[in-house]
Amino acid sequence: DADVTQTPRNRITKTGKRIMLECSQTKGHDRMYWYRQDPGLGLRLIYYSFDVKDINKGEISDGYSVSRQAQAKFSLSLESAIPNQTALYFCAIRGRSTDTQYFGPGTRLTVL
Amino acid sequence: RKEVEQDPGPFNVPEGATVAFNCTYSNSASQSFFWYRQDCRKEPKLLMSVYSSGNEDGRFTAQLNRASQYISLLIRDSKLSDSATYLCVVPKGGSQGNLIFGKGTKLSVKP
Repeated sequence: DADVTQTPRNRITKTGKRIMLECSQTKGHDRMYWYRQDPGLGLRLIYYSFDVKDINKGEISDGYSVSRQAQAKFSLSLESAIPNQTALYFCAIRGRSTDTQYFGPGTRLTVL
Repeated sequence: RKEVEQDPGPFNVPEGATVAFNCTYSNSASQSFFWYRQDCRKEPKLLMSVYSSGNEDGRFTAQLNRASQYISLLIRDSKLSDSATYLCVVPKGGSQGNLIFGKGTKLSVKP
């Protein structure tokens, strides 16, 4: 079984809709991240969390919100989706004693 | 200097060739560095970590030059399966331990 799972894997939605992307992990790591990837722009950090009570904004948090429901679950919400949020979204995890991050398989989101 | 900068490529090489990618970074306090491999539309996967002057793993060698603030990745005897985008990754600095990802260098190995 994969250490990090993301649902859905693909989603097409319309402008103005609320969307939630979910991430779960089985490694017991306390640090979780959400990134988006756009062609030519690389990976950009949206939000990150170091434990259930710790949520931090990344470099591009506007238009997004997150929820850390449990140590193993970290959800990303788009309250009112817009077309420029069309991207590939990755969740990542990291253990406390390492700098290495491990990624989920990604969610491809298209906002029409 | 940008936080992390890579030549985007693409590098088109024949099977068996040796190819090298360079990456420059701006945070002189960074202690650990990474190369990730990303296949098209897939998640980035850790290829190598670099904590001192370099690291070698089979056909792959990563070298670190702290004075010049660059990291290199050398791939020897290229295989078709090495075709991917290679991401240079550097710690952002500060206590949060966040990472900065380069935009990647695309490699295409041809028969």
